[in-house]
Amino acid sequence: SQTIHQWPATLVQPVGSPLSLECTVEGTSNPNLYWYRQAAGRGLQLLFYSVGIGQISSEVPQNLSASRPQDRQFILSSKKLLLSDSGFYLCAWRPDRGPSQETQYFGPGTRLLVL
Amino acid sequence: AQSVAQPEDQVNVAEGNPLTVKCTYSVSGNPYLFWYVQYPNRGLQFLLKYITGDNLVKGSYGFEAEFNKSQTSFHLKKPSALVSDSALYFCAAPGAGSYQLTFGKGTKLSVIP
Repeated sequence: SQTIHQWPATLVQPVGSPLSLECTVEGTSNPNLYWYRQAAGRGLQLLFYSVGIGQISSEVPQNLSASRPQDRQFILSSKKLLLSDSGFYLCAWRPDRGPSQETQYFGPGTRLLVL
Repeated sequence: AQSVAQPEDQVNVAEGNPLTVKCTYSVSGNPYLFWYVQYPNRGLQFLLKYITGDNLVKGSYGFEAEFNKSQTSFHLKKPSALVSDSALYFCAAPGAGSYQLTFGKGTKLSVIP
């Protein structure tokens, strides 16, 4: 079966510090991968998605970036965090083919607090 | 544009009563629609989806949803609410890109003992 992991679970960082959040998926190959941010426990904002290694699409211009160095690894980064980067970051994957192709499956999330 | 709307920010229901969480959609072509649930400080969990076929879709934890094309709705229902059903519920539909989903703003369900 497939599983998705995110770490760290919680992170407190000072303004201006760098960021690296990691997401990995097990039990599948060539998944589509997504990064979302959820502010104030409500709506989801799609930040990046990837359909393959090295292929990243950005949905919202900001000081965040994403990379996909391996097939099942998706990394969210920042060189300098802003207060407004605080939030709950969710990684998701979906199969690139098959009966569940339309469905996204989410990781447990990373709570980021920028002080 | 593809979109979904959840008209209620919060729904309160007594334990044991039936519950409904509303969703309406604006999707071109044949829509496929989803419901997800989020417990506090957790990721979203997939509950059910409508692709084609039977308008009544059954999902996890006793939830079901009815696709109504004439009313462009996809309401989530459960015959008897549990306190453990208290959570944030999201409706979703295909987004602007072929690989994307667009989510409603979420409805907080509180089941009162």
